[in-house]
Amino acid sequence: QQQVKQSPQSLIVQKGGISIINCAYENTAFDYFPWYQQFPGKGPALLIAIRPDVSEKKEGRFTISFNKSAKQFSLHIMDSQPGDSATYFCAAGSGGSNYKLTFGKGTLLTVNP
Amino acid sequence: DTAVSQTPKYLVTQMGNDKSIKCEQNLGHDTMYWYKQDSKKFLKIMFSYNNKELIINETVPNRFSPKSPDKAHLNLHINSLELGDSAVYFCASSQAWAGASGELFFGEGSRLTVL
Repeated sequence: QQQVKQSPQSLIVQKGGISIINCAYENTAFDYFPWYQQFPGKGPALLIAIRPDVSEKKEGRFTISFNKSAKQFSLHIMDSQPGDSATYFCAAGSGGSNYKLTFGKGTLLTVNP
Repeated sequence: DTAVSQTPKYLVTQMGNDKSIKCEQNLGHDTMYWYKQDSKKFLKIMFSYNNKELIINETVPNRFSPKSPDKAHLNLHINSLELGDSAVYFCASSQAWAGASGELFFGEGSRLTVL
């Protein structure tokens, strides 16, 4: 049972373009939706996160759009740069004594110069 | 001054051997985790500990035994290694106890190769 579904599996974008990665979740108890960025040989690192009380959050070139009724959220990378080439993971978590993050399967983003 | 540090970074070993991975965090967090990342990059939780107490055990074979001597350390011991254990193992920590959700901080991973 995959609680967080992520698409596409891979994405190729030209420099300066917009990268869009989508995720859908099933568990309505989730209350924290982060995006993680992972470079080869490194651990995942938090990029940006949102909670369900807002529909959008922007940090620099990165924006999360959140649709609570559809149980979907997406990452938009504006003006994509070659340095953005990495694997991106959406995740979801709900508070509680057994707190964890459940991850999507990842999207390999390649930004061509 | 690495926040979450794991050792070793690479392990190469034969089937049937036993190996350990160590993890330390200096963030003062109460909760630590082990995640497994397979060859397809899928990140799956294995265990979580809160202040030395096991909280999550995600149906991991009992060949895997986590140990937390104190809240800053979480080690992973694997007995009788199998080919399918080859993966990257990530340690993480969070201050997400007491009902709140929040960021996980990951180490750089330990790549285990079983031959």
